[in-house]
Amino acid sequence: NAGVTQTPKFRILKIGQSMTLQCTQDMNHNYMYWYRQDPGMGLKLIYYSVGAGITDKGEVPNGYNVSRSTTEDFPLRLELAAPSQTSVYFCASSYWGTSTDTQYFGPGTRLTVL
Amino acid sequence: AQSVTQLGSHVSVSEGALVLLRCNYSSSVPPYLFWYVQYPNQGLQLLLKYTSAATLVKGINGFEAEFKKSETSFHLTKPSAHMSDAAEYFCAVSFTGANSKLTFGKGITLSVRP
Repeated sequence: NAGVTQTPKFRILKIGQSMTLQCTQDMNHNYMYWYRQDPGMGLKLIYYSVGAGITDKGEVPNGYNVSRSTTEDFPLRLELAAPSQTSVYFCASSYWGTSTDTQYFGPGTRLTVL
Repeated sequence: AQSVTQLGSHVSVSEGALVLLRCNYSSSVPPYLFWYVQYPNQGLQLLLKYTSAATLVKGINGFEAEFKKSETSFHLTKPSAHMSDAAEYFCAVSFTGANSKLTFGKGITLSVRP
């Protein structure tokens, strides 16, 4: 199993550009998550999904969109990039989505908006 | 509001010395507590978790943590540090409930001196 994979690893965007961060998991997990990590701030939940076709907002959803058409894929869309979106983005998945369930993380995408 | 606090941002120890990384939580309901580790340029991986069974939890790579309700703490320890332990460590909390999600602390960077 590859686990959770993310592409690209690095990306530089100009202000106002758009892009999609890809996330795929091969563990047949129901739940998937997008986090952003800023220095000294820990991880903040952007969006999550409880299954194909079902998504919901997390703590910091503004400026982002998601979709979940399959169990495996959970792309994150930035429509109008802003410098405040410079961050490292992590995708994660878990099977049950319960309070005690382990989340499995991808290697991250480092995004810079100039 | 429920939260976790990781005091300090950086801990440095000598190889072979005790590792102690502190985590305190704030909660009005019983928490579930996690420690995740992030090695350089990688995603997070679970070290250990407390799910209300045993209060002393053993994890991977010789780490353990003890849940102390009276002190609202879940400190991470390892008797003897190894160079390979150098990483960033995150404490996280969740709670019983359908909509409970992981809330991460700000993280602590552990350096190990030869």
